[in-house]
Amino acid sequence: NAGVTQTPKFRILKIGQSMTLQCTQDMNHNYMYWYRQDPGMGLKLIYYSVGAGITDKGEVPNGYNVSRSTTEDFPLRLELAAPSQTSVYFCASSGQTDKNGYTFGSGTRLTVV
Amino acid sequence: GENVEQHPSTLSVQEGDSAVIKCTYSDSASNYFPWYKQELGKRPQLIIDIRSNVGEKKDQRIAVTLNKTAKHFSLHITETQPEDSAVYFCAGVTGTASKLTFGTGTRLQVTL
Repeated sequence: NAGVTQTPKFRILKIGQSMTLQCTQDMNHNYMYWYRQDPGMGLKLIYYSVGAGITDKGEVPNGYNVSRSTTEDFPLRLELAAPSQTSVYFCASSGQTDKNGYTFGSGTRLTVV
Repeated sequence: GENVEQHPSTLSVQEGDSAVIKCTYSDSASNYFPWYKQELGKRPQLIIDIRSNVGEKKDQRIAVTLNKTAKHFSLHITETQPEDSAVYFCAGVTGTASKLTFGTGTRLQVTL
């Protein structure tokens, strides 16, 4: 039981490049989330999903896209990377509503130069 | 949507003293309030949580209180130790998707 696995752990992108942050969970959780954490700040919700085939925007979705083709996987796509997207990205999953707290992945530290 | 405010942003206490972090929330429908501890370079880890039908919950040196009328909740750490030094985040949950709205964090420093 690995929990929530994120890859890569670190990445440097040039302005205008694209990349996909991978997130996989093996807990059969329905709910999955992507958050970003800027230095010294709290976490802001980018996108979330309540089940396979269902995704919705969070607080800061601009510049990102997601898909949820399976229960396990919830990749985050960055198109045309910008310096403002320099951040630490956390994927998280949750079981039934309000039953348990989130399980977070270890994060991806992304720098756009 | 939900808005969670957290105070103070930094807190320094001596080892053995108590630490209190306070949060307020805006959405009266919020029904679940977790607290996360984040060490430098690590992921947030759930340390305690409370649901809206409970006023207080305790786990060893950590306790959380909830005042639904005033829409605020607090984290209490007693007998602080150096390993308690970290950033602590409160959060509130609303809606069917269990979306968490986080506070801005409190950096706790426990000095010897």
